[in-house]
Amino acid sequence: EVQLVESGGGLVQPGGSLRLACAASGFSFSSYDMNWVRQAPGKGLECVSYISVTTGATVYADSVKGRFTISRDNAKNSLYLQMNSLRDEDTAVYYCAFTVGDGGIIRNGMDVWGQGTTVTVSS
Amino acid sequence: DVVMTQSPLSLPVTLGQPASISCRSSQSLVYSDGNTYLSWFQQRPGQSPRRLIYKVSNRDSGVPVRFSGSGSGTDFTLKISRVEAEDVGVYYCMQGTHWPPYTFGQGTKLEIK
Repeated sequence: EVQLVESGGGLVQPGGSLRLACAASGFSFSSYDMNWVRQAPGKGLECVSYISVTTGATVYADSVKGRFTISRDNAKNSLYLQMNSLRDEDTAVYYCAFTVGDGGIIRNGMDVWGQGTTVTVSS
Repeated sequence: DVVMTQSPLSLPVTLGQPASISCRSSQSLVYSDGNTYLSWFQQRPGQSPRRLIYKVSNRDSGVPVRFSGSGSGTDFTLKISRVEAEDVGVYYCMQGTHWPPYTFGQGTKLEIK
């Protein structure tokens, strides 16, 4: 069974740091590009970051550029999101997700999602 | 970035009746390969998002046939032929044509009247 399990969320003060992890299983993790998507309380979906499996290229939303770093460890089947200089507006559920169907065409959007991990930034 | 605008934002529907959600993009979603990368997602209360439709009208595996997608260019529609109780949730359109980044609509909350 294809599965993504996020961890590492919690309560952190403004200006603090957190490292999220996403453990992948049931598929060849080293074959797929990966994404982090977040959802603030009562709000919609925002793509935070993307990492290519072939080139290692990364993409970030303007709202997190320079503060967040996405990385992956294919040997450990894991995706990470290092979040620094956290702000109140970073409070959200963070999902890892990827595209596997229709040949894994990334422009189709993510068809496999984890259950999410909650990050709360508050003093 | 491409702006995706959904309407209505709230959709009360009687069980067994049809429902329709509109999504408009600020730019054409036709990609250079001829495909239109417009997807629809469902998020049931307390659950992660689930992709229902990709490339305008292709249903994902396991998605009931009562869900259908249509449209072209900048105007798209998600239709549910007969709403069931399990369809309650928030529906999002998303464009991938102008990735990066993906951009989502604001979401349409479907509830049972």
